[in-house]
Amino acid sequence: EPEVTQTPSHQVTQMGQEVILRCVPISNHLYFYWYRQILGQKVEFLVSFYNNEISEKSEIFDDQFSVERPDGSNFTLKIRSTKLEDSAMYFCASSTRTGTNQPQHFGDGTRLSIL
Amino acid sequence: DAKTTQPNSMESNEEEPVHLPCNHSTISGTDYIHWYRQLPSQGPEYVIHGLTSNVNNRMASLAIAEDRKSSTLILHRATLRDAAVYYCILRDLTTSGTYKYIFGTGTRLKVLA
Repeated sequence: EPEVTQTPSHQVTQMGQEVILRCVPISNHLYFYWYRQILGQKVEFLVSFYNNEISEKSEIFDDQFSVERPDGSNFTLKIRSTKLEDSAMYFCASSTRTGTNQPQHFGDGTRLSIL
Repeated sequence: DAKTTQPNSMESNEEEPVHLPCNHSTISGTDYIHWYRQLPSQGPEYVIHGLTSNVNNRMASLAIAEDRKSSTLILHRATLRDAAVYYCILRDLTTSGTYKYIFGTGTRLKVLA
């Protein structure tokens, strides 16, 4: 069964450094998402992306965050200058369409640790 | 905020059926009910979704109340590998016309051997 893959599984970065998290969505999917989960807390929506532009973003997704689909397969989340509070699991998801009956399929996440 | 309410935790014996309830009293006519689960150190995993009729797949069954204000995820025979946090989700329609998930705290299912 096709799946969403994320790399790396764990990223350790010094505060203030830039970090790029990578995702390969399911190949025929057109809608892409990033969520995050701080340890012990709920999964939170960050951003949705379709047709090479952001569709929706949450309050968390400030100017330090950006997303890109640099080629036909990858979908990336960049944090320009990381803060301690950016430490979390980051999950990428994708779906074929965005109808209410279309499930999103999640990757297993990247654990980001900011030192 | 999440539009659903679930018990914080439940326990089940291995090999027995498990009924995980969810209340969604503010559901609209076009909202599908989605269920996901999150195993330790993994991403949310799609389980099942439905609109009005009961649904079955290889993982579980979904029973939806006639008024659609509640639903129940049924695991027919719980195994130790089913121990996870189960989320019942109604998706939010964003201003751009896309859908996003608003996760609640879910139900932590413990399966006893």
